[in-house]
Amino acid sequence: AQSVTQLDSQVPVFEEAPVELRCNYSSSVSVYLFWYVQYPNQGLQLLLKYLSGSTLVKGINGFEAEFNKSQTSFHLRKPSVHISDTAEYFCAVTSTGGGNKLTFGTGTQLKVEL
Amino acid sequence: DSGVTQTPKHLITATGQRVTLRCSPRSGDLSVYWYQQSLDQGLQFLIQYYNGEERAKGNILERFSAQQFPDLHSELNLSSLELGDSALYFCASSATHYNEQFFGPGTRLTVL
Repeated sequence: AQSVTQLDSQVPVFEEAPVELRCNYSSSVSVYLFWYVQYPNQGLQLLLKYLSGSTLVKGINGFEAEFNKSQTSFHLRKPSVHISDTAEYFCAVTSTGGGNKLTFGTGTQLKVEL
Repeated sequence: DSGVTQTPKHLITATGQRVTLRCSPRSGDLSVYWYQQSLDQGLQFLIQYYNGEERAKGNILERFSAQQFPDLHSELNLSSLELGDSALYFCASSATHYNEQFFGPGTRLTVL
């Protein structure tokens, strides 16, 4: 079984400041990792994914994440946030062995202020 | 727009009733997933279908059932509804059973 921990339920940040949203996972098998964003009253949009290869993954809207196997982490970063980045961000994991069901973290609400 | 469509967008019903939520996957996607998002449980996987057959089951109640039809659309049936079933229900699809998933806009179910 897998689990995902997003320690920060809310992260306030000023516009143009950098941000890091933390994600730690637990799994007894190899995993694929994802970050999704949910804007108010909308569905989930895939930001980026780690399947294999380079541990630094670049996604849409200037976001990137780094897979750290030893620390079982997959933190999301953006060097300069915009007001439009205000949304809820979910980290998710699935095992590489098939089945493909996503296990989500509890989400981090990113609030960008002027 | 992910290409996944869900109907209806909103549904308000009473306890004890039965409802059907519908999902059309992206063109060409064979796998469909259902998730429930609620304030107390967060995002939870319910069930997955691949090319018409059940592939994986998660925390789905016995009162809930789903199916995937030959045209690959899927329906989630919720019966004997309780107040606690009020939630956002998302459908997602992927090309096969191990590709990235694309989510629909969701159906918001309110049980009064």
